[in-house]
Amino acid sequence: KQEVTQIPAALSVPEGENLVLNCSFTDSAIYNLQWFRQDPGKGLTSLLLIQSSQREQTSGRLNASLDKSSGRSTLYIAASQPGDSATYLCAVSTDKLIFGTGTRLQVFP
Amino acid sequence: KAGVTQTPRYLIKTRGQQVTLSCSPISGHRSVSWYQQTPGQGLQFLFEYFSETQRNKGNFPGRFSGRQFSNSRSEMNVSTLELGDSALYLCASSLSAGHTDTQYFGPGTRLTVL
Repeated sequence: KQEVTQIPAALSVPEGENLVLNCSFTDSAIYNLQWFRQDPGKGLTSLLLIQSSQREQTSGRLNASLDKSSGRSTLYIAASQPGDSATYLCAVSTDKLIFGTGTRLQVFP
Repeated sequence: KAGVTQTPRYLIKTRGQQVTLSCSPISGHRSVSWYQQTPGQGLQFLFEYFSETQRNKGNFPGRFSGRQFSNSRSEMNVSTLELGDSALYLCASSLSAGHTDTQYFGPGTRLTVL
């Protein structure tokens, strides 16, 4: 049974710091891995999708990597801003999305 | 291009009632999936529809059902509501079936069961 874990559960940092959020999964048989952000009480916003054959994807200040053999993905956020404060979720895709429990990020000025 | 829309945004029901939630996908998307989000269980998959056919179903009781129309809009129905059904219900749309491409989520419907 696929299980997805995210570490840390919460993170509070000053503005400008570079951050790494971690996601691990137990079964490497995935189609892809997707990172989302969720603001309180809102839906999910897709950030990056990495296909199982890819190693990384970049969008602006975000970079996500995937190591399928070790069951790990990282989301790197460069030069964090208060607007980055949200919960970040990773999800692996099999025939459905299986989500981690999220990392709650707070960036303070 | 308009995003995924869900109606209503908020619902309050009492135990034993039934409820219908609606999801309109991004134009051109034919896959719609539904997820339940609760503080205790996180995000859990309910079902996926593609071209009016249910492709996959999560581990939820038969009280949870859905359908998809020819214009790809989808509805989810929950009958005989229980307190534990209180949750944020999210739908996602994508071009292809089977969660092989980017999933775009709507804002959700917040269901409260009293």
